[in-house]
Amino acid sequence: ETGVTQTPRHLVMGMTNKKSLKCEQHLGHNAMYWYKQSAKKPLELMFVYSLEERVENNSVPSRFSPECPNSSHLFLHLHTLQPEDSALYLCASSQDSGNNEKLFFGSGTQLSVL
Amino acid sequence: AQSVTQPDIHITVSEGASLELRCNYSYGATPYLFWYVQSPGQGLQLLLKYFSGDTLVQGIKGFEAEFKRSQSSFNLRKPSVHWSDAAEYFCAVGHTGGFKTIFGAGTRLFVKA
Repeated sequence: ETGVTQTPRHLVMGMTNKKSLKCEQHLGHNAMYWYKQSAKKPLELMFVYSLEERVENNSVPSRFSPECPNSSHLFLHLHTLQPEDSALYLCASSQDSGNNEKLFFGSGTQLSVL
Repeated sequence: AQSVTQPDIHITVSEGASLELRCNYSYGATPYLFWYVQSPGQGLQLLLKYFSGDTLVQGIKGFEAEFKRSQSSFNLRKPSVHWSDAAEYFCAVGHTGGFKTIFGAGTRLFVKA
């Protein structure tokens, strides 16, 4: 148990659906992240929030929309996704957002887009 | 630009044998370096990190890593592998300017009895 909880664990959706991924951290951290993990590719950083403010948007398509209502919760809203968006989506948190911070990861949401 | 290379996509070792996983980085200054492990169906867990000081870093689960500036390497080692070490291992470097940790593509470790 890392203190970072992601729901759902698995999600299958059609290209016209709208769904949301949820992440919650119980560690009192100030920074939260969304990463995309595709087979045989390095983890791709999607978004970074520090103190509920988005500080990094890594050229992610607009069909992915993050939301951070408070420092403990992070959402990733999905709409009109493509099959190539199928991947494991990992949420992480850290005490602060510096480049020397230890990241705590959730178990991920395995997303399949049909 | 910063980058991390893990040359081995997968490695198989016998239980009880020693292990070394390779990692090379590209970075303009003294890097922040990390090794993470990911068990099947799980997120990543930090094994160890290097910021400065002693170039041999001890981590959890009996792992260690050595920072070699001259070779731009940060290889992960374990003297005796256990079956439970079978997982995917990721080397990472802290990105200049904060916020971003850059990950390698990972090395999948298989342990045979």
